[in-house]
Amino acid sequence: RKEVEQDPGPFNVPEGATVAFNCTYSNSASQSFFWYRQDCRKEPKLLMSVYSSGNEDGRFTAQLNRASQYISLLIRDSKLSDSATYLCVVNSWNDKIIFGKGTRLHILP
Amino acid sequence: DVKVTQSSRYLVKRTGEKVFLECVQDMDHENMFWYRQDPGLGLRLIYFSYDVKMKEKGDIPEGYSVSREKKERFSLILESASTNQTSMYLCASSSDTGGQGGYFGPGTRLTVT
Repeated sequence: RKEVEQDPGPFNVPEGATVAFNCTYSNSASQSFFWYRQDCRKEPKLLMSVYSSGNEDGRFTAQLNRASQYISLLIRDSKLSDSATYLCVVNSWNDKIIFGKGTRLHILP
Repeated sequence: DVKVTQSSRYLVKRTGEKVFLECVQDMDHENMFWYRQDPGLGLRLIYFSYDVKMKEKGDIPEGYSVSREKKERFSLILESASTNQTSMYLCASSSDTGGQGGYFGPGTRLTVT
């Protein structure tokens, strides 16, 4: 099993819809989790951290399920500007940052 | 404002040349990383460093070496560039607390001809 796995997509979603994607990780000792967003030809940028209790930032909700070893990102009322690649990131016990390969999201007008 | 800078945005080198990619961060981060990103393959870790003069191999270290003489600077070296090293190279840094994820530089698009 790969350390961090994501569905590569693309997810083609109409504007205004809700979309969710998951990311699984293999190392149960992983300690910190993040979602990054990467626009075309740009570097990845931190979107939000993922806390054990789940957290929300506007239209974005991130959740962690330690028992099943996955994190999720939910986007409500999607906007055209949400089109990007979303990278799942896991920070292991030795501070090695491990990236998923990303999920491509296309919001359709 | 957090900053990770890379020496070049675009670089064209010939096969067999020695190539240096420089990365500098101004956040006093302990950890620094070099990745390459290729279509369909995502981000792949080449090398990382936890401290000055320390380095660890990532998933694809072959054909690369690194240098970290100062805390703020992490260099990636292609000893003899090959065409299969044509890629986007991204540097990142993070703090020891691990609670902030990592910050990326803007990337260097390297073409080896």
